[in-house]
Amino acid sequence: GAGVSQSPSNKVTEKGKDVELRCDPISGHTALYWYRQSLGQGLEFLIYFQGNSAPDKSGLPSDRFSAERTGGSVSTLTIQRTQQEDSAVYLCASSPSGTSGYNEQFFGPGTRLTVL
Amino acid sequence: QKEVEQNSGPLSVPEGAIASLNCTYSDRGSQSFFWYRQYSGKSPELIMSIYSNGDKEDGRFTAQLNKASQYVSLLIRDSQPSDSATYLCAGRGFYFGSGTKLNVKP
Repeated sequence: GAGVSQSPSNKVTEKGKDVELRCDPISGHTALYWYRQSLGQGLEFLIYFQGNSAPDKSGLPSDRFSAERTGGSVSTLTIQRTQQEDSAVYLCASSPSGTSGYNEQFFGPGTRLTVL
Repeated sequence: QKEVEQNSGPLSVPEGAIASLNCTYSDRGSQSFFWYRQYSGKSPELIMSIYSNGDKEDGRFTAQLNKASQYVSLLIRDSQPSDSATYLCAGRGFYFGSGTKLNVKP
């Protein structure tokens, strides 16, 4: 079946512009995660959605970052007024169940964001 | 203290040897653990999950969980150059270790 998809695969933007990154999870997966990975670094958790519950936004680095998930499926991560330090690969993952269950995560290919 | 900790490596082993990757965790309530492999420039992919004490084998991979000592390990037998990657350990939720880079030398 189809895996997690993300778009765009690459995004180059100018400092100060807003960007939107999209994630399509695996059908039927109730949990969705966003991570950021800078070059040579580990995964930095950003936000977690589980079903219809309020999202866990504890990893968002600033109020310039926001995310939503419509209809329990597609998710959009928005970065406002981008800064050069926002340059990274943004990864989305989905899981059949949330953190209380056996949450094997399946990752999308990522969006490489470059802020000039 | 991070929830999940790994030695960043790199760990270098010759082809055909056993590679041993280790991870410690702080949350005694964690019930499930996962190993992901990440090739350079690619996204992580799940390779093993383990939910109970002891060993779980899948082909050349064996995951080991010791809840009393709070560590998880991954053994790769007959290591191949294609196993060269960064291996990420994860507990429940969204806490990942920083990854151990494995280099298998031909």
